[in-house]
Amino acid sequence: AQSVSQHNHHVILSEAASLELGCNYSYGGTVNLFWYVQYPGQHLQLLLKYFSGDPLVKGIKGFEAEFIKSKFSFNLRKPSVQWSDTAEYFCAVIHANYGGSQGNLIFGKGTKLSVKP
Amino acid sequence: DAGVIQSPRHEVTEMGQEVTLRCKLISGHNSLFWYRQTMMRGLELLIYFNNNVPIDDSGMPEDRFSAKMPNASFSTLKIQPSEPRDSAVYFCASNPTGLATDTQYFGPGTRLTVL
Repeated sequence: AQSVSQHNHHVILSEAASLELGCNYSYGGTVNLFWYVQYPGQHLQLLLKYFSGDPLVKGIKGFEAEFIKSKFSFNLRKPSVQWSDTAEYFCAVIHANYGGSQGNLIFGKGTKLSVKP
Repeated sequence: DAGVIQSPRHEVTEMGQEVTLRCKLISGHNSLFWYRQTMMRGLELLIYFNNNVPIDDSGMPEDRFSAKMPNASFSTLKIQPSEPRDSAVYFCASNPTGLATDTQYFGPGTRLTVL
């Protein structure tokens, strides 16, 4: 069965520090990968996604993620975090079944990021 | 566009009572997903529909849970009878096409507390 691992449960950084959140998945076939963010008290929203092409994906608010197929990873990065980046970040993976229905989007357990001003 | 709409936003009920959560999709979207979020288990897919048809309900915890999509824009998730372990935030999400590459658009969630 597919699974998604986010290794860090809670990350605490100071403003301007660099961020890397790990995400590894277990499925060996073709996958689509997503990072969603949940700001305090708000609903999940898409940060970025990868389904083909350049493995380095740029998203909103200066975030980027790199798909490394050999490592089954899709780590999220940001060179300099801000206090407003305080949120919970979810990595998600789906089997890319282009011929049919979407299938099951599997989420990681999330990583809470706290940015100290 | 109003986005995905969920009601109620908060629900507090007593064990044994029936609970109905509601979701309105974004207009034109044809896939709908119900998720449950808890501290212990994170975000779990309960069930999803494509063109009003339930495609995968393997995430529904047990027979106490049921979901319907009576029309293309509206869905309900019912828990009967409710139990304290059902306490969680329940999210509904919709997707324009049902394709794997498409983004899911989440509603604000319903925070359910079962006493």
